[in-house]
Amino acid sequence: QQQVKQSPQSLIVQKGGIPIINCAYENTAFDYFPWYQQFPGKGPALLIAIRPDVSEKKEGRFTISFNKSAKQFSLHIMDSQPGDSATYFCAASGGATNKLIFGTGTLLAVQP
Amino acid sequence: GAVVSQHPSWVICKSGTSVKIECRSLDFQATTMFWYRQFPKQSLMLMATSNEGSKATYEQGVEKDKFLINHASLTLSTLTVTSAHPEDSSFYICSAPGGGPWGGQYFGPGTRLTVT
Repeated sequence: QQQVKQSPQSLIVQKGGIPIINCAYENTAFDYFPWYQQFPGKGPALLIAIRPDVSEKKEGRFTISFNKSAKQFSLHIMDSQPGDSATYFCAASGGATNKLIFGTGTLLAVQP
Repeated sequence: GAVVSQHPSWVICKSGTSVKIECRSLDFQATTMFWYRQFPKQSLMLMATSNEGSKATYEQGVEKDKFLINHASLTLSTLTVTSAHPEDSSFYICSAPGGGPWGGQYFGPGTRLTVT
């Protein structure tokens, strides 16, 4: 119940395409859903986050869609660029602690 | 956003020795910090929660006597890997809650540990 399932494992898109990464969770106590971007050899960087009281949040080219009833959320990257090539992790937290539970990660490659 | 630093960024040590990794919150105070381990091409695995002024809380399966955590002040937590072995080689990352309306944890840049 503590797991966050993430798909796909890897993704290749052309420059300008819209990669979509999906995550699903079981624990209904989760109330915070961030997305992190990680480049090789670096720590994760917070990209965007959402709480269950909204269905969508947009920040620049990054959009989170959230479906509370389905317990799913996704990240869309508009007008993707080669510089967006990185590993993306979804995560969730909530309940008694603010411990983050991470998805398994998606390796995104944006081809020029 | 909030800034978290780690030192060193990479370290090589011999098997059987101990190594200390520092995690600092630079522009905010953190009563709680988190330590993660990440193996190549894998996700982050939470090892322990570091609590200022009290004992750390370890996740199941993490040896508390091997991974010593000390949260000495509101801006500093340290992780000491004792009697390191090659299988302890990994990328160690700390994080701290940055507060604000959207919450969020801010991660340090990570420390690459190689045990020879």
